[in-house]
Amino acid sequence: NAGVTQTPKFQVLKTGQSMTLQCAQDMNHNSMYWYRQDPGMGLRLIYYSASEGTTDKGEVPNGYNVSRLNKREFSLRLESAAPSQTSVYFCASSALQLSGANVLTFGAGSRLTVL
Amino acid sequence: AQSVTQLGSHVSVSEGALVLLRCNYSSSVPPYLFWYVQYPNQGLQLLLKYTSAATLVKGINGFEAEFKKSETSFHLTKPSAHMSDAAEYFCAVSNIAGGTSYGKLTFGQGTILTVHP
Repeated sequence: NAGVTQTPKFQVLKTGQSMTLQCAQDMNHNSMYWYRQDPGMGLRLIYYSASEGTTDKGEVPNGYNVSRLNKREFSLRLESAAPSQTSVYFCASSALQLSGANVLTFGAGSRLTVL
Repeated sequence: AQSVTQLGSHVSVSEGALVLLRCNYSSSVPPYLFWYVQYPNQGLQLLLKYTSAATLVKGINGFEAEFKKSETSFHLTKPSAHMSDAAEYFCAVSNIAGGTSYGKLTFGQGTILTVHP
């Protein structure tokens, strides 16, 4: 059971270049998320998809776009990368538990450096 | 709005000593609370969660946390630290999913735990 798989694990870009981070989950979860992690700031939500066919902005969406390709896949695109987007990006998925709690399962992360 | 504050960005303990990582939350509705652990170069793993059942919650690897509504706290403890506990720990809060609230998680800034031999 692979869980949540992110690609690539590492990427170096030049300012202005574009790229897409890929994420796939095999747990039949309805909801998927993209977070970024920066030192001392915890994880901040970029975009999320509550269910297939829907996407919504999170806390820090500027400079990013997302696509929920199908129930399994949720991609994050940087159209014109900036040094401020240097970060570790995490994809996560979740399914509501009977208690009503939303428990997230995370991928291993993608480390992006923008020069 | 909901928020989480983790007191202390770095905590250092000796092997065998008590681990105490502090988390205070703010939420306008009864919250769900979580502790996640992140080992170096890995994603986050769920340690334990509070979902309004028992206020003392036991998790994996001997960790537990107590929900104290009067103090708006959810501190993480472990009686005896092990070298393998060295990691970064994140407290998170959400409210019940459904409608526009959705159940999104808000994370604290993280606490790095160092365990000395």
